[in-house]
Amino acid sequence: AQSVTQLGSHVSVSEGALVLLRCNYSSSVPPYLFWYVQYPNQGLQLLLKYTSAATLVKGINGFEAEFKKSETSFHLTKPSAHMSDAAEYFCAVSSYTGNQFYFGTGTSLTVIP
Amino acid sequence: EADIYQTPRYLVIGTGKKITLECSQTMGHDKMYWYQQDPGMELHLIHYSYGVNSTEKGDLSSESTVSRIRTEHFPLTLESARPSHTSQYLCASGGTGKSNQPQHFGDGTRLSIL
Repeated sequence: AQSVTQLGSHVSVSEGALVLLRCNYSSSVPPYLFWYVQYPNQGLQLLLKYTSAATLVKGINGFEAEFKKSETSFHLTKPSAHMSDAAEYFCAVSSYTGNQFYFGTGTSLTVIP
Repeated sequence: EADIYQTPRYLVIGTGKKITLECSQTMGHDKMYWYQQDPGMELHLIHYSYGVNSTEKGDLSSESTVSRIRTEHFPLTLESARPSHTSQYLCASGGTGKSNQPQHFGDGTRLSIL
């Protein structure tokens, strides 16, 4: 069975500070991993995806994530937070065929001016 | 810009009414999904489809039903709405065949049952 765990349901950072959102996965086979962002009253938007190519994945809006197999982690980072980054972030894992996705419980990011 | 559309965006309706939430996508994806999302909770898969005339129930028990008569259309129906159905419903689509593609989401329908 596959699952993801997001540590910290709420994260607050100051504008300009490093953003670090944590995600650990559980998968018996090499996973496909995704980060999504959700702004208020909207659906989920894909930030980036890992599909067994490079372990460091760059996404939109300056975000990136690093796949670490030894730690079963796929943490999301951004060097400098912007006010517009305030949103809910979801980590997800899918099966090899992509037939089913499993989402974490989400992390709400607050950016303090 | 969205290639997957959900209507209505918001719906407030009384108990016992029949409701259909619409979802359409223009990407030609075989796979479509319905999720239920409550504040602070993960997305719960309630229905999915791998193609026309294919529908399956997801992990979360739901009193809703779905149909997939056309590739682009995946409506969700509640025959008799109850207050416990109050939630946000997200439709997604992704990929064809055995390819692994990220899911694309609509903007959701926020449903309130009085």
